[in-house]
Amino acid sequence: LAKTTQPISMDSYEGQEVNITCSHNNIATNDYITWYQQFPSQGPRFIIQGYKTKVTNEVASLFIPADRKSSTLSLPRVSLSDTAVYYCLVGPLTGTASKLTFGTGTRLQVTL
Amino acid sequence: ETGVTQTPRHLVMGMTNKKSLKCEQHLGHNAMYWYKQSAKKPLELMFVYSLEERVENNSVPSRFSPECPNSSHLFLHLHTLQPEDSALYLCASSQDLGSNEQFFGPGTRLTVL
Repeated sequence: LAKTTQPISMDSYEGQEVNITCSHNNIATNDYITWYQQFPSQGPRFIIQGYKTKVTNEVASLFIPADRKSSTLSLPRVSLSDTAVYYCLVGPLTGTASKLTFGTGTRLQVTL
Repeated sequence: ETGVTQTPRHLVMGMTNKKSLKCEQHLGHNAMYWYKQSAKKPLELMFVYSLEERVENNSVPSRFSPECPNSSHLFLHLHTLQPEDSALYLCASSQDLGSNEQFFGPGTRLTVL
């Protein structure tokens, strides 16, 4: 299983860009990188997924270097409502469910 | 709204009670999951169903009993629980088994007294 390492917590002011980095040194060739967001007392919500280089959607961008041993979730101009826990997951697109493991995530606190 | 609903949202039960958690997905997905999330701990995968068949059971105590009567519904039957079973129980679904794009319900906050 590809283990991931993320910072436990981060703080940001509203309007700033936030970059959360995840390390996954043992990523396998067929693994993808997926990020989820979880608000208190809610289920996690899929944000973005990628395999290499850069992926962008209406919520975030995902930067993956050529060696794929890390990835960075970028949230542009965060607001108070972006306060949540962000999880980085690594695993194949489909297959054995237990290969997809959620770590402790990064708790992002956005303030005015 | 993710297309996955869970009831009840909150549940308080004694250790001798029997209760059930219900999950329904309106997405036409083939796989459904039960997760447990305790305070300050990562999500723990409990059970996995694919096309109504249980395909994974991650060493969950027998006091938790899942049931999947059809591909849209998933239940978690609870009996003789312990206080340490108090947690947020999350249901999720995905188009294919083991997909890393899963859709989660809002969860059931369970308190065992």
